Amino acid sequence: ETGVTQSPTHLIKTRGQQVTLRCSSQSGHNTVSWYQQALGQGPQFIFQYYREEENGRGNFPPRFSGLQFPNYSSELNVNALELDDSALYLCASRQLTGSVGEDNYGYTFGSGTRLTVV
Amino acid sequence: LAKTTQPISMDSYEGQEVNITCSHNNIATNDYITWYQQFPSQGPRFIIQGYKTKVTNEVASLFIPADRKSSTLSLPRVSLSDTAVYYCLVGDPISNDYKLSFGAGTTVTVRA
Repeated sequence: ETGVTQSPTHLIKTRGQQVTLRCSSQSGHNTVSWYQQALGQGPQFIFQYYREEENGRGNFPPRFSGLQFPNYSSELNVNALELDDSALYLCASRQLTGSVGEDNYGYTFGSGTRLTVV
Repeated sequence: LAKTTQPISMDSYEGQEVNITCSHNNIATNDYITWYQQFPSQGPRFIIQGYKTKVTNEVASLFIPADRKSSTLSLPRVSLSDTAVYYCLVGDPISNDYKLSFGAGTTVTVRA
């Protein structure tokens, strides 16, 4: 297992710019979710993809968009960056197997991308 | 998703047992209870998951009463490296739209 890897690890952008964050899911995982975590708060759900289709979205504006590719890697795109978008962005993946057992615990998270908007 | 309530913070000393109780009064029939651990500047890490009674692994134990309206995460003999934020979540992991709804979590501080 290679785990979940995210790139870049840190990023500084100017207000109004656009950013793309990338995630490589753990091998064999078909579901990927993205979360935003502001300093001192718990992660907030942005959206989720299952087999390349979005199947859930949190309370985030349309300028937050995403993609999941056939190899189950994923992107998070944010347009028209605002200062409040500064946060740790987390990607998480899992393999939906249809039953809860020892190998179907839950999500594996990456270490995140720290985005700073100035 | 069912809402959970847990203490904001807990302090402990090395070698002690730490018990964090989480309330989830509106848990649904198909929901499981899952706990994650998060260190600063890292993503959350799965600790344990259960549906009822007691679950134990090499890291922790999870106690769930019959009514399932609460659960207790037990960390045996904590060390300084157990200082982290612990999140309690409920949801149906079988569902293909299962997503994690994090609260503020419980910040556990272990002192020497």
